[in-house]
Amino acid sequence: EAQVTQNPRYLITVTGKKLTVTCSQNMNHEYMSWYRQDPGLGLRQIYYSMNVEVTDKGDVPEGYKVSRKEKRNFPLILESPSPNQTSLYFCASGRGGGRGYGYTFGSGTRLTVV
Amino acid sequence: EDKVVQSPLSLVVHEGDTVTLNCSYEVTNFRSLLWYKQEKKAPTFLFMLTSSGIEKKSGRLSSILDKKELFSILNITATQTGDSAIYLCALPFSGTYKYIFGTGTRLKVLA
Repeated sequence: EAQVTQNPRYLITVTGKKLTVTCSQNMNHEYMSWYRQDPGLGLRQIYYSMNVEVTDKGDVPEGYKVSRKEKRNFPLILESPSPNQTSLYFCASGRGGGRGYGYTFGSGTRLTVV
Repeated sequence: EDKVVQSPLSLVVHEGDTVTLNCSYEVTNFRSLLWYKQEKKAPTFLFMLTSSGIEKKSGRLSSILDKKELFSILNITATQTGDSAIYLCALPFSGTYKYIFGTGTRLKVLA
């Protein structure tokens, strides 16, 4: 089944403790992206990647890191999480930058930083 | 500054009603506009629009783009409770692969 898999689905952590949210897709998509979704603010793009070893900042990259060493994986790293990073995170992938074909989204990771 | 504004923010209707959701945008070098439906989990892709005046249709949902007036509408006819969701529109930032999403319209359909 074609899908984007995120792990974990839920995570509660403490301020400052490094964490990684994994994202993997099995559709051979070049384009992958991370979003966070907050009430009243909608979906905001954190980072995106056009292909292996090619990444760029989205709207709200501060406090996040990404890497794209393999085509299928695009992990999101929070080196020192803070409470303002409490949010619902989505990973997405697509062909052609998603412009012509839309994205496939993962099921989301709900992160709480206390 | 590129931006996407959706209206209304929230809408409550009864089953059988027709609804029209709006997405206004300001982006330079327009390429495409995408509509998504988000229920409890991840957004799912509905439509991609690139040309003005050409309606995209899928069952009771349809969408059209007006590139002159810089907006798109999403119509849902004969609404059902299963249409209850947040509807999002998104556009790529001019000249990049960055995307901007509107804040969405929350639709609730009452039985």
